[in-house]
Amino acid sequence: EDQVTQSPEALRLQEGESSSLNCSYTVSGLRGLFWYRQDPGKGPEFLFTLYSAGEEKEKERLKATLTKKESFLHITAPKPEDSATYLCAVQGTGGFKTIFGAGTRLFVKA
Amino acid sequence: KAGVTQTPRYLIKTRGQQVTLSCSPISGHRSVSWYQQTPGQGLQFLFEYFSETQRNKGNFPGRFSGRQFSNSRSEMNVSTLELGDSALYLCASSFGQGTNIRAFFGQGTRLTVV
Repeated sequence: EDQVTQSPEALRLQEGESSSLNCSYTVSGLRGLFWYRQDPGKGPEFLFTLYSAGEEKEKERLKATLTKKESFLHITAPKPEDSATYLCAVQGTGGFKTIFGAGTRLFVKA
Repeated sequence: KAGVTQTPRYLIKTRGQQVTLSCSPISGHRSVSWYQQTPGQGLQFLFEYFSETQRNKGNFPGRFSGRQFSNSRSEMNVSTLELGDSALYLCASSFGQGTNIRAFFGQGTRLTVV
């Protein structure tokens, strides 16, 4: 069964302190791995789609990477406005069901 | 380009009642997925529709059902509501074919069952 595990559950950083979030996944054939950002009371906001091992994508202070077993979301010099829950999800080639991880809650203090 | 629209935004229902939630996808998107989000379980997949056909279904009881119309708008229905059905219900739309599968979410419907 497809599965996604994110770590850590919560991460507290000082402004400017770079770090990485981890997403480990098990899927029988990867159609795509997604990263979303979710603010309280709002729907998830799309960040990246990664399709194959070795792929990397960047957007402002965020960079997502993918291997055959995990993905990392690297946050460089974070700002308080980066505080949110970051969700990782996978869709396998066996169907059209997208499975989400529990998320990492990121707190960035000024 | 308008985003995904969910209505209503908030809903309070009594145990035993039924509820219908609506989702209007982004224009041109043919796939609509529904999710239930709770603090304890996170985002749980309910079902996915493409061109009026249900392509996949999550592990939810038969009280949860959905449908998609020819204009891609979708509704989900929950019958015989239970207290545990209180959650944020999210709808996501995508083009749904080939590699263009990234999904865009609506703001959700917050359902409270009392």
